Amino acid sequence: GIQVEQSPPDLILQEGANSTLRCNFSDSVNNLQWFHQNPWGQLINLFYIPSGTKQNGRLSATTVATERYSLLYISSSQTTDSGVYFCAVPRLYGGATNKLIFGTGTLLAVQP
Amino acid sequence: DTEVTQTPKHLVMGMTNKKSLKCEQHMGHRAMYWYKQKAKKPPELMFVYSYEKLSINESVPSRFSPECPNSSLLNLHLHALQPEDSALYLCASSQDPYAGTGGEETQYFGPGTRLLVL
Repeated sequence: GIQVEQSPPDLILQEGANSTLRCNFSDSVNNLQWFHQNPWGQLINLFYIPSGTKQNGRLSATTVATERYSLLYISSSQTTDSGVYFCAVPRLYGGATNKLIFGTGTLLAVQP
Repeated sequence: DTEVTQTPKHLVMGMTNKKSLKCEQHMGHRAMYWYKQKAKKPPELMFVYSYEKLSINESVPSRFSPECPNSSLLNLHLHALQPEDSALYLCASSQDPYAGTGGEETQYFGPGTRLLVL
């Protein structure tokens, strides 16, 4: 099956710093989601980005499907950005239903 | 509105108890999912309901019993759980259960239920 690896596994930033999180996947995909899981466990949709670049405030994401990776950029980080960031790709399961394969995650801690 | 709600937020149960987790969405989504997440791990898929029918069971032990009473509701019935079943249980929904490029398969997650089995 497809492998989805994220790097770095852990990241500590000072407030105001910028960072880039990477998601590599081992097979072609037609969709990719980025999530932020806050310290209370809520998984928040950040981007649906099968290809190209999208921006939402201080966050932006780029997926290069032909090279099998996606990047999540966080600029001017804030303490509220702390948590775990997951990328996830869907795979057809049994030929009929979507199964979301999650990456290994990046644990981000933003210090004041 | 992209909200999925889950109740309860926290649950403590003994190994002989029977309890249920509840998930609700009013986005008209036709696929609903249960995930289990252990600390410092990504969510693991347990069940998928597609158009109110169980379409994926990831070899989950029978002490977990899913139910989809209607297109908006998803329950997870728990019975005779083990301490290792303690985890965060997440519910999700998507407009369309099939992988594609239109975005309809984007999954939206509820806040989760933190379960502790004693």
